[in-house]
Amino acid sequence: NTKITQSPRYLILGRANKSLECEQHLGHNAMYWYKQSAEKPPELMFLYNLKQLIRNETVPSRFIPECPDSSKLLLHISAVDPEDSAVYFCASSLRDSTNERLFFGHGTKLSVL
Amino acid sequence: GQGVEQPDNLMSVEGTFARVNCTYSTSGFNGLSWYQQREGHAPVFLSYVVLDGLKDSGHFSTFLSRSNGYSYLLLTELQIKDSASYLCAVSRPNYNVLYFGSGTKLTVEP
Repeated sequence: NTKITQSPRYLILGRANKSLECEQHLGHNAMYWYKQSAEKPPELMFLYNLKQLIRNETVPSRFIPECPDSSKLLLHISAVDPEDSAVYFCASSLRDSTNERLFFGHGTKLSVL
Repeated sequence: GQGVEQPDNLMSVEGTFARVNCTYSTSGFNGLSWYQQREGHAPVFLSYVVLDGLKDSGHFSTFLSRSNGYSYLLLTELQIKDSASYLCAVSRPNYNVLYFGSGTKLTVEP
């Protein structure tokens, strides 16, 4: 699937700041960040629907999303914690359809030292 | 987790079938999706159901009973490559967000 791309693919961090990037070429109007920890299901962190942000209130404030336009999504992470080690998936969908189909990027595997 | 429950593991034999079950809390339901996730890869959409009954999509079929909060994904004529995790996800009315079950790891043996 090259229609939704994420970078970087792998990220190893100490207590540093970093940004994850995502871009979709599907013409979708909603974009998401999901976090998937080992042996766990994907869990929604943030949803941008027509640039309106809906956030999961359990996500720590060190995660800050940004949606510069309808096709791009960023996730800024500051002062990572070991519990942040996970795969971060970007996804997109067409939210005015009756079929809520998410298209996922390949994910960014974050390892916190 | 998140009001969506699935068994952890399922084993079946090549050439036969496998039924992956999913139960969910019925308070707030817009629809139910199934995704396949291979080890080290992203989830891939398989099916979406919102009406009761069986939806036949060939290799994959899905069943939904909204009153019972129950769905299953049926895989027929299993192949070794069907070995993967299968995630059930329920759309809830709060912004139509998807809530995923923990997934069922299907192992297809020769």
